Amino acid sequence: DAGITQSPRHKVTETGTPVTLRCHQTENHRYMYWYRQDPGHGLRLIHYSYGVKDTDKGEVSDGYSVSRSKTEDFLLTLESATSSQTSVYFCAISESEMYEQYFGPGTRLTVT
Amino acid sequence: KNEVEQSPQNLTAQEGEFITINCSYSVGISALHWLQQHPGGGIVSLFMLSSGKKKHGRLIATINIQEKHSSLHITASHPRDSAVYICAVRLRGGSNYKLTFGKGTLLTVNP
Repeated sequence: DAGITQSPRHKVTETGTPVTLRCHQTENHRYMYWYRQDPGHGLRLIHYSYGVKDTDKGEVSDGYSVSRSKTEDFLLTLESATSSQTSVYFCAISESEMYEQYFGPGTRLTVT
Repeated sequence: KNEVEQSPQNLTAQEGEFITINCSYSVGISALHWLQQHPGGGIVSLFMLSSGKKKHGRLIATINIQEKHSSLHITASHPRDSAVYICAVRLRGGSNYKLTFGKGTLLTVNP
């Protein structure tokens, strides 16, 4: 299995609070992705990174920001959490944009 | 309209049966992925293919580019195959990083 960890694995937070999720990889892969998974929807891309300090928006990026200061870490921040951001968040990595993506174990976030 | 449609949405089978899950897409693609997600679990990549057929153990994935259709087959199904199977496509041209996902097929294999 690809070495990908996510932290925390579970979090409950209140509306309006900031939240940061961390994705850490030991594979030295260039590409990293944040997805959210909600019932009735397929996985949806929030943001992705194609290198250190190089990031771009996905299809559901509103309310989220990301940072990547090291190859191994990709952070997802909810500046002011809302109930609509209650979801399961998955990080993924790939060696190249043309290759398979390997997924982390997921973070279940509940915003009350 | 979703660009990626999977069928059926839910499938129940008896152990030992041959399973087929279908994926249709409406745009030009450069690759198609099949993923597996066990209940409460993470997501595992099963196959990535752009033409023809791939086999891994009891799993077989095929793709017909002209018909914009892919199938995932499971031979001699087992209860441990119970999971959600997800099809995803990488669109041809534009931003190749982006995968578009189907909503998944929930497979339950009863002993």
